[in-house]
Amino acid sequence: LAKTTQPISMDSYEGQEVNITCSHNNIATNDYITWYQQFPSQGPRFIIQGYKTKVTNEVASLFIPADRKSSTLSLPRVSLSDTAVYYCLVGDVKSNFGNEKLTFGTGTRLTIIP
Amino acid sequence: KAGVTQTPRYLIKTRGQQVTLSCSPISGHRSVSWYQQTPGQGLQFLFEYFSETQRNKGNFPGRFSGRQFSNSRSEMNVSTLELGDSALYLCASSLAPERAYNEQFFGPGTRLTVL
Repeated sequence: LAKTTQPISMDSYEGQEVNITCSHNNIATNDYITWYQQFPSQGPRFIIQGYKTKVTNEVASLFIPADRKSSTLSLPRVSLSDTAVYYCLVGDVKSNFGNEKLTFGTGTRLTIIP
Repeated sequence: KAGVTQTPRYLIKTRGQQVTLSCSPISGHRSVSWYQQTPGQGLQFLFEYFSETQRNKGNFPGRFSGRQFSNSRSEMNVSTLELGDSALYLCASSLAPERAYNEQFFGPGTRLTVL
């Protein structure tokens, strides 16, 4: 199971682009990178998932270099409502062993400043 | 489509008591997982149920148990409560275990306080 390392916290101003980097040096060949977002008093919510290069959806972009030992979640033009904890997860999404590999850790607490 | 529901939302118990938490997954979802979230340990996996069978269990003592019913609803039980069991307990559902990474939906959680 690949261990991930993220910054504990980050601050950013409204309207800026925010990049949160996650390190996963021992990522396995079959592992995907998944990011979740959690607002206070709510459960985590899936944001984006990728295997290599770049993935973009209506919420965020995910950049994964060729060696896949790190990944960067990019949030464009953040607003106050983006204040949340962001989790980086790494694992084999096609594993039929279930969720025991879903290790969320403590995530990155992003605070958006008006 | 209704989301994952958890009851109760808040609960206060005293040490030594036992507690049962309930989770109703999204309609059609057969996999239910439970997590414990505390400020110090983050979000930790408790166990996962699929088709009424516990498939995986995290590193928690035997005081933590669960079950799943034929309608996929799930309950978790904590016996002999300790102060350290105070946490937000989250339930998540997905269609099947192998689709948990990107198709797992969490409920709002049950906030348990042990006094």
